[in-house]
Amino acid sequence: SQQGEEDPQALSIQEGENATMNCSYKTSINNLQWYRQNSGRGLVHLILIRSNEREKHSGRLRVTLDTSKKSSSLLITASRAADTASYFCATAPKAAGNKLTFGGGTRVLVKP
Amino acid sequence: DVKVTQSSRYLVKRTGEKVFLECVQDMDHENMFWYRQDPGLGLRLIYFSYDVKMKEKGDIPEGYSVSREKKERFSLILESASTNQTSMYLCASSLPGQSGAGYNSPLHFGNGTRLTVT
Repeated sequence: SQQGEEDPQALSIQEGENATMNCSYKTSINNLQWYRQNSGRGLVHLILIRSNEREKHSGRLRVTLDTSKKSSSLLITASRAADTASYFCATAPKAAGNKLTFGGGTRVLVKP
Repeated sequence: DVKVTQSSRYLVKRTGEKVFLECVQDMDHENMFWYRQDPGLGLRLIYFSYDVKMKEKGDIPEGYSVSREKKERFSLILESASTNQTSMYLCASSLPGQSGAGYNSPLHFGNGTRLTVT
């Protein structure tokens, strides 16, 4: 099974609404990263949050990390049609040689 | 901006063929990675390299090998392609992290190669 699991698997919202997706993981980590993938393209790094951080912002993105619950959330505020993509969390587990492990992703559709 | 270039966007090969997937990065990154992406399975690490001529197995190395003769180039080789290797292959590069494995550094991905083995 995967280290990181995103929830929900798919999300459909109207432009202007907020989108929230969650990531749960199993083991202790050094950091957690979020990536975006547009259809048919490679992944683009969005934000990295370290295990000693609780919240991080980047533009319309807000990421939280709760190491006690082994979970993270990504919030996209005031969504736009261009935010339509798949979003992946990636964890760097301390016990796995610090390789990044990706979850299955959340597909977000923003309707104009 | 970092540019990671994969030589082919689409590739169709026959079962048993030897297949080479090439990846080049232009930012002098020490670390390079090969992932495959399949629906419902996310990205799975095949091999990675943290230096020239160095390689380490990822989670699913069976049926694959890699070559890193120059810092900017990381090749994935399917020794004898099989239909279960039909997938999207993604190359990535990064700066080294604290332990040299890149775990604290963001990955920069290419646009992927969609390989079909018939």
